[in-house]
Amino acid sequence: GAVVSQHPSWVICKSGTSVKIECRSLDFQATTMFWYRQFPKQSLMLMATSNEGSKATYEQGVEKDKFLINHASLTLSTLTVTSAHPEDSSFYICSARVGAGTDTQYFGPGTRLTVL
Amino acid sequence: TQLLEQSPQFLSIQEGENLTVYCNSSSVFSSLQWYRQEPGEGPVLLVTVVTGGEVKKLKRLTFQFGDARKDSSLHITAAQPGDTGLYLCAGAGSGNTGKLIFGQGTTLQVKP
Repeated sequence: GAVVSQHPSWVICKSGTSVKIECRSLDFQATTMFWYRQFPKQSLMLMATSNEGSKATYEQGVEKDKFLINHASLTLSTLTVTSAHPEDSSFYICSARVGAGTDTQYFGPGTRLTVL
Repeated sequence: TQLLEQSPQFLSIQEGENLTVYCNSSSVFSSLQWYRQEPGEGPVLLVTVVTGGEVKKLKRLTFQFGDARKDSSLHITAAQPGDTGLYLCAGAGSGNTGKLIFGQGTTLQVKP
């Protein structure tokens, strides 16, 4: 149980285009999902908290107009990187909180974004 | 601001050796998770510890949560090449936001 999927697993795009990444909880409902960014050989950096049916909460320094997050259902959250630039190239990982009474998060397999 | 200091950040050992990874903080956490991540993949949950002083074992891995719930350790006995990966500790932040505070990670390489 507690499986989280991400799509696509990797994407290459041209500078200036937008890219959407999907995060799905496959066998449970997730009222809260999280989006992280990870640089090579480094830990995870939290970008934003995504709550179903409400606006996402962004961490300090993360541009909300550049990284659009939508959590339209209890099993799906999306991250759209708008007007992508090479410096946005990174490994993006989502996670889902199993329930409001637990701190445990289950992570998706990640999406490798390369902006040319 | 809650911080988790994880050490060592890099560890290269021979197969069969033992090792311990530490996560320390001046803050109290309601729970602490340990994850293992392989290159190009997402972190996989190993264990969640909740009670101060709690010890959990997962085959050759032993996890301990400090009595004051400010620190934790991961001990691996007789490491194997398959244990190679990035190990991450993460503490549940204050409030009920569900946010996790991550340590810097420990990159473990076990040589055959």
